[in-house]
Amino acid sequence: EDKVVQSPLSLVVHEGDTVTLNCSYEVTNFRSLLWYKQEKKAPTFLFMLTSSGIEKKSGRLSSILDKKELFSILNITATQTGDSAIYLCAVEANYGQNFVFGPGTRLSVLP
Amino acid sequence: EAGVAQSPRYKIIEKRQSVAFWCNPISGHATLYWYQQILGQGPKLLIQFQNNGVVDDSQLPKDRFSAERLKGVDSTLKIQPAKLEDSAVYLCASSLGRGAIYSNQPQHFGDGTRLSIL
Repeated sequence: EDKVVQSPLSLVVHEGDTVTLNCSYEVTNFRSLLWYKQEKKAPTFLFMLTSSGIEKKSGRLSSILDKKELFSILNITATQTGDSAIYLCAVEANYGQNFVFGPGTRLSVLP
Repeated sequence: EAGVAQSPRYKIIEKRQSVAFWCNPISGHATLYWYQQILGQGPKLLIQFQNNGVVDDSQLPKDRFSAERLKGVDSTLKIQPAKLEDSAVYLCASSLGRGAIYSNQPQHFGDGTRLSIL
């Protein structure tokens, strides 16, 4: 059965801290790994990773994939209160026939 | 561009009643997804359409859930009869093509319908 695990499930930090969110997976016919940010409503897309070892970066957020060890990390530097959200990791499996989401990491950034 | 539209935003029903959700994807998007997100969990894919054909519905509880995408545009998801464990947010998403690699933004999500079963 396809599975995505995220850790930690919950994290509380102060503004300015750096955080690392983890995502590991076991799926059939891996195609891509996706990170989303979910505040109150729809998940919004952050990154898509398909190749091992290539870092994707957008402002203070960055992510990297290790296809050999079957995991990815999402880093957020100099956190702000606006980063408070649930961060979802999803894996596209079975040649695009299935998207499997992890449970998410709830990040709270305190002022 | 207009986003994915879903209605209603909220729905409260009693168990054993029926309910339907509607989704209008982004214009030109061939692939449409329905997800169920139970509180505290990640979204779970229920069904994926490519135009008006079903790509995968292996996780759709077919004894009570049904979905259709007539004419390859709008889609409806129905639950009949509803059970308490169906309480969740139902998210619709769309993408240009089948699979994340066909677009810079793999899936655009709607705001969802929050369903509460009493």
